[in-house]
Amino acid sequence: DAKTTQPPSMDCAEGRAANLPCNHSTISGNEYVYWYRQIHSQGPQYIIHGLKNNETNEMASLIITEDRKSSTLILPHATLRDTAVYYCIVSWGTGTASKLTFGTGTRLQVTL
Amino acid sequence: NAGVTQTPKFQVLKTGQSMTLQCAQDMNHNSMYWYRQDPGMGLRLIYYSASEGTTDKGEVPNGYNVSRLNKREFSLRLESAAPSQTSVYFCASSYYTGELFFGEGSRLTVL
Repeated sequence: DAKTTQPPSMDCAEGRAANLPCNHSTISGNEYVYWYRQIHSQGPQYIIHGLKNNETNEMASLIITEDRKSSTLILPHATLRDTAVYYCIVSWGTGTASKLTFGTGTRLQVTL
Repeated sequence: NAGVTQTPKFQVLKTGQSMTLQCAQDMNHNSMYWYRQDPGMGLRLIYYSASEGTTDKGEVPNGYNVSRLNKREFSLRLESAAPSQTSVYFCASSYYTGELFFGEGSRLTVL
């Protein structure tokens, strides 16, 4: 699986959009981009994933650049409960067991 | 709907003791996984089971064994615990996608 690079930490004011970047310059054509988050010491929670097109669900939006070498997770209106570590993961992801590799992620701190 | 259930949630062992971490999922998922997370680090895959009856090593399998008892259950065994195995252990399950559902974790301390 391709490696990913994320900033170690970011701050965001409550109510503002949080834009979390991820670099995955060695991604191959069939690899998906996944985003998870881990609140405090709970189990990680799936947020969203995509292959080429931008994706949106009730939690977030995922913007993938045309060359697929980077992506941005957008939390449109961050709340204090979005404070967590966010992991960007690249993986084949479908058709078999998904051996996701979690790096150290981005620690997002949402403040009043 | 319970999702992924891990037991026990907390355990303290002495060096050399053995124990089994239990994991069960009620989502009819095919694949199950065991990860460990050390303080300040990301999760590392210990073992996984792509489907009932199969198991494979992940990134850090040494010192562990697993059993996929049936489609619902996937256990992780420490035969002779070592202090280096002090960690938080997470079990997860998935269908044939990268959308993993995680349990709440089992916190293990080896003295």
